Amino acid sequence: NAGVMQNPRHLVRRRGQEARLRCSPMKGHSHVYWYRQLPEEGLKFMVYLQKENIIDESGMPKERFSAEFPKEGPSILRIQQVVRGDSAAYFCASSPMTGSNTEAFFGQGTRLTVV
Amino acid sequence: KNEVEQSPQNLTAQEGEFITINCSYSVGISALHWLQQHPGGGIVSLFMLSSGKKKHGRLIATINIQEKHSSLHITASHPRDSAVYICAVRSEYGNKLVFGAGTILRVKS
Repeated sequence: NAGVMQNPRHLVRRRGQEARLRCSPMKGHSHVYWYRQLPEEGLKFMVYLQKENIIDESGMPKERFSAEFPKEGPSILRIQQVVRGDSAAYFCASSPMTGSNTEAFFGQGTRLTVV
Repeated sequence: KNEVEQSPQNLTAQEGEFITINCSYSVGISALHWLQQHPGGGIVSLFMLSSGKKKHGRLIATINIQEKHSSLHITASHPRDSAVYICAVRSEYGNKLVFGAGTILRVKS
């Protein structure tokens, strides 16, 4: 049973380009969370999705960022017109259900560098 | 003030020492997680606690719900324990995790 798979592991983009980060949750998991870790800072929540639904996007920047979790395929975090300040590690976590006793399993992260 | 505070921020220990990392939080929670992150690496979940104490190998985690405090202990520390240890809480009203800033642990041989 593979863990949470994120790709790519490393992504370099020029300013103004688009970045697409993918997250395949663990088998049987229908809940996905995206977190961002800026350099020298702690992890911050971005968005919580279930299949085909955005449940909580309170941590998403208002512009340029979007996320989806389609019925088939991985969850995608999309950053349009990237800027240097978007350089960070982006982590995805998945869980089988919601609730207080839900373990969260993390991916290896995608390290985005904007040059 | 952050909702989750960890101490110390940095910790250097000699191999074999007993290590304690503390976490205090200010919100009502349904669960608390201890996570480990190696430099450039992914995040590994060590413990999930809602009460009491858990032990896994040389690692012990405790939580006091009334005092809103948790500790992570490492017995007989080893250089391979060097990593960032992160405390995270799941709010009783939501599903997302709120993270502490992390404790950078370095164990010297």
